Amino acid sequence: GAVVSQHPSWVICKSGTSVKIECRSLDFQATTMFWYRQFPKQSLMLMATSNEGSKATYEQGVEKDKFLINHASLTLSTLTVTSAHPEDSSFYICSARELEKEELNFGPGTRLTVT
Amino acid sequence: AQSVSQHNHHVILSEAASLELGCNYSYGGTVNLFWYVQYPGQHLQLLLKYFSGDPLVKGIKGFEAEFIKSKFSFNLRKPSVQWSDTAEYFCAVISYNTDKLIFGTGTRLQVFP
Repeated sequence: GAVVSQHPSWVICKSGTSVKIECRSLDFQATTMFWYRQFPKQSLMLMATSNEGSKATYEQGVEKDKFLINHASLTLSTLTVTSAHPEDSSFYICSARELEKEELNFGPGTRLTVT
Repeated sequence: AQSVSQHNHHVILSEAASLELGCNYSYGGTVNLFWYVQYPGQHLQLLLKYFSGDPLVKGIKGFEAEFIKSKFSFNLRKPSVQWSDTAEYFCAVISYNTDKLIFGTGTRLQVFP
């Protein structure tokens, strides 16, 4: 089946530093990837839509200068949390859509803790 | 604004009880509908999906859902739950207009033996 991986699975960083999270589609090409954020015991909130070779589209209220998204290839998208603060601590999940398919495949998520 | 709502935030059942979780969406036009499950400590898994055709959709682990277009609903059902069904359940919708998968608020299901 279509597998999506994320790296790292868990990261702890100090306030003010930047953290990069990778999302890879392992056995398929993904023209579109989505980044979600999930707070504890809450639902997934769509942050942005990442299209290969073009700028990401951010949802209302999501700071594009803080959450940098790059989709450099058909199998890799990265989310960089810049100048992280404790309130950025959350579970970040990516999903990828295979070419010409409607279904989304979800990664296992990355837990970010900012101290 | 386009939204997905799940009416039941927390459901507690005994094993063998029947389950129905509500999901309503506010999108107009054509939609694709999904139910995902998140077991404790695990990532999202697809339970079932509706794209077109028979509005009664059967998924994995004995779950089914019915799409009622006139009610903008896609309720999840299972005739007899098991302790292993304890999890968080999310309804999600993709609108053809927006091409974004939007999640409902989730329902926490606890099943006691």
